[in-house]
Amino acid sequence: EVQLVETGGGLVQPGGSLGLSCAVSGFKVSNNYVAWVRQAPGKGLEWVSLIYSGGNTVYAESVKGRFTTSRHTSRNEVYLQMDSLRTDDTAVYFCARARVGARLQASQLDYWGQGTVVTVSS
Amino acid sequence: DIQMTQSPSSLPASVGDTVTITCQASQDIKNYLNWYQKKPGKAPRLLVYDASNLETGVSSKFSGSGSGTDFTLTITSLQPEDFATYYCQQYDNLPITFGQGTRLEIK
Repeated sequence: EVQLVETGGGLVQPGGSLGLSCAVSGFKVSNNYVAWVRQAPGKGLEWVSLIYSGGNTVYAESVKGRFTTSRHTSRNEVYLQMDSLRTDDTAVYFCARARVGARLQASQLDYWGQGTVVTVSS
Repeated sequence: DIQMTQSPSSLPASVGDTVTITCQASQDIKNYLNWYQKKPGKAPRLLVYDASNLETGVSSKFSGSGSGTDFTLTITSLQPEDFATYYCQQYDNLPITFGQGTRLEIK
């Protein structure tokens, strides 16, 4: 059974840092793409980042240079390190497995965690 | 970035109704379009992928169509558990982008 569990959310002041973890079971992060997606209060879904099976990463412009996605293959975990946090980073953060499309792009997000809440406030 | 525009933003409907949600892409995305259902406090759920393919385990009351820039999600015989927010998502180009969502609410 596939399961993703996010941890690490909490309250942080603007300008601060927070690290999220996504513990995966049922598939290997080393062979799959994993995305982070967030939902701000009352808003829609926003893609944040993607880590490819080869370990390369891509980011949304809104977080580029501030957020870093990494993984630990032996622990089968993916991480989102969030620095220089802003109030508009307040959201529920989800990790999700991304299927691989015909052009090796991330396609469908088929398995999701339940999310972890990040609140950026003074 | 490819902009995804859903309509309507809010859709009042009754149990038993059939409804259609539309999603328009700002450029041709072929059939690289997925639909998700999102309920408060829950993870999004993949319903339809590649515009018209039903995800395994999803009820056939959900169906998708379209290609290029115009897409639709149709839900037949609405039941109480179908009232949720629905999102389209394109993956033709990075960044992956979602529509703003359509909130299906009980009339």
